Amino acid sequence: ELKVEQNPLFLSMQEGKNYTIYCNYSTTSDRLYWYRQDPGKSLESLFVLLSNGAVKQEGRLMASLDTKARLSTLHITAAVHDLSATYFCAVDLRGEIQGAQKLVFGQGTRLTINP
Amino acid sequence: KAGVTQTPRYLIKTRGQQVTLSCSPISGHRSVSWYQQTPGQGLQFLFEYFSETQRNKGNFPGRFSGRQFSNSRSEMNVSTLELGDSALYLCASSLAFLSTGTFGSGTRLTVV
Repeated sequence: ELKVEQNPLFLSMQEGKNYTIYCNYSTTSDRLYWYRQDPGKSLESLFVLLSNGAVKQEGRLMASLDTKARLSTLHITAAVHDLSATYFCAVDLRGEIQGAQKLVFGQGTRLTINP
Repeated sequence: KAGVTQTPRYLIKTRGQQVTLSCSPISGHRSVSWYQQTPGQGLQFLFEYFSETQRNKGNFPGRFSGRQFSNSRSEMNVSTLELGDSALYLCASSLAFLSTGTFGSGTRLTVV
């Protein structure tokens, strides 16, 4: 059974600081997603990482994937209050049918950025 | 471009009743996946449909079922509701291949 573990689960940081959220998973997969969720809201797609060594950046967020280590990271640079949210990683666990999607999510990291 | 539309947004049901939730995907998207989100279990995959066929199913009891219509709209049904079925139900649509999927706003189901 695939397990996806994020750490930390809770993170409180000051504006302007840098930090990294880690996502470890227990089986082979070449497709990993990062999502953001604001309280009471749905999931907003941030990044899709499709191969080993993939790195994507959007504003103050940068995600990377190491499929050999089964590890993805979400790095936050010079945090601002607007980035406060819960961040989820998800691994695409393919079914027997090609293309069939099945996302297995991490527990989520609740990020609070204080002024 | 319209997003993924889920109806209703909120729903209150009584134990033992059944409920049907609806998801209209983005135009042109043929894959629809359903997820349950609860504080205790987090986000869990329910099932995925493509071209009216269920291709993947999560570890949920048979009380949870779904279907997809020829226009790609999908419904999920939960029969004999239990208190533990209270959750945010999210659907996501995608083009199936190399797609991150776009989530709808969800239906918040409360079972009393």
